Amino acid sequence: EVQLVESGGGLVQPGGSLRLSCAASGFTFSSYEMNWVRQAPGKGLEWVSYISSSGSTIYYADSVKGRFTISRDNAKNSLYLQMNSLRAEDTAVYYCARVDSRVYMDVWGKGTTVTVSS
Amino acid sequence: SYELTQPPSVSVSPGQTARITCSGDALPKQYAYWYQQKPGQAPVLVIYKDSERPSGIPERFSGSSSGTTVTLTISGVQAEDEADYYCQSADSSGTFVVFGGGTKLTVL
Repeated sequence: EVQLVESGGGLVQPGGSLRLSCAASGFTFSSYEMNWVRQAPGKGLEWVSYISSSGSTIYYADSVKGRFTISRDNAKNSLYLQMNSLRAEDTAVYYCARVDSRVYMDVWGKGTTVTVSS
Repeated sequence: SYELTQPPSVSVSPGQTARITCSGDALPKQYAYWYQQKPGQAPVLVIYKDSERPSGIPERFSGSSSGTTVTLTISGVQAEDEADYYCQSADSSGTFVVFGGGTKLTVL
C-alpha cells in the first residue's frame, strides 16, 4: 500500500524551530518529487515547498523562503521540513504529498499539526 | 502573485449536477487539478490534467477547460460528495504550485 506518514508536529513558541518528517512506503520514493502543503485552521490549502527526486531542485513559497528548508534522504525513504523562526501564521496542518508530472499531488499523508503560540 | 479564483460555496440537491468553476490567467497554458477534502481528512485527487480521472474516482466526477476557466462537474450528486473542493495549477512558468481558495459543496 502506498503510504505517507508525517510526524514531528507540536506546540512551539514564536521564534522557535521544528523539524517535520514524512516516512514513505509502498513505492520507490527515490523516483518521485515531493511537496509540503499546509492548511491553517479553517483555511484553504497552501503549497509550501517542492523538492525534486534527487534533491537537486528545490522551491519555496514566498511566505516561508529563508525560514524553512526542505530535504530528503532517499536511503531512508524520508522527506523533511526544517522550520525556523516560526510565526503564529505558520500554525497549520502540514501535509507531505507525492508529486506527479512536476505539478500535481496524487498521494497525501494524513498531516501533522504545528501550533505556534506562546 | 498568481491566483486561482473559485466560488466560496455551491449548493445542490441530491441527484442534481454540481458545477464548480476555477479561473486563472495561466489556465490556457497550464493543466488544472481538482482535490476533494472532507472534514478532518487529507485532500484526495479527483481530476488531473483538466479532465482525467484517477482510478477509483467515480465516473460522476468530470473536468473540463475553456480558456481561463476550468470546471469540475459532479453529475448525480450524492450526499457523500459534500466536501471542500480545491482547484490547483501552476504559474505560467510551471514552477510554483497554486491552489484556489476552495469551494464548499453542500448537498441539500
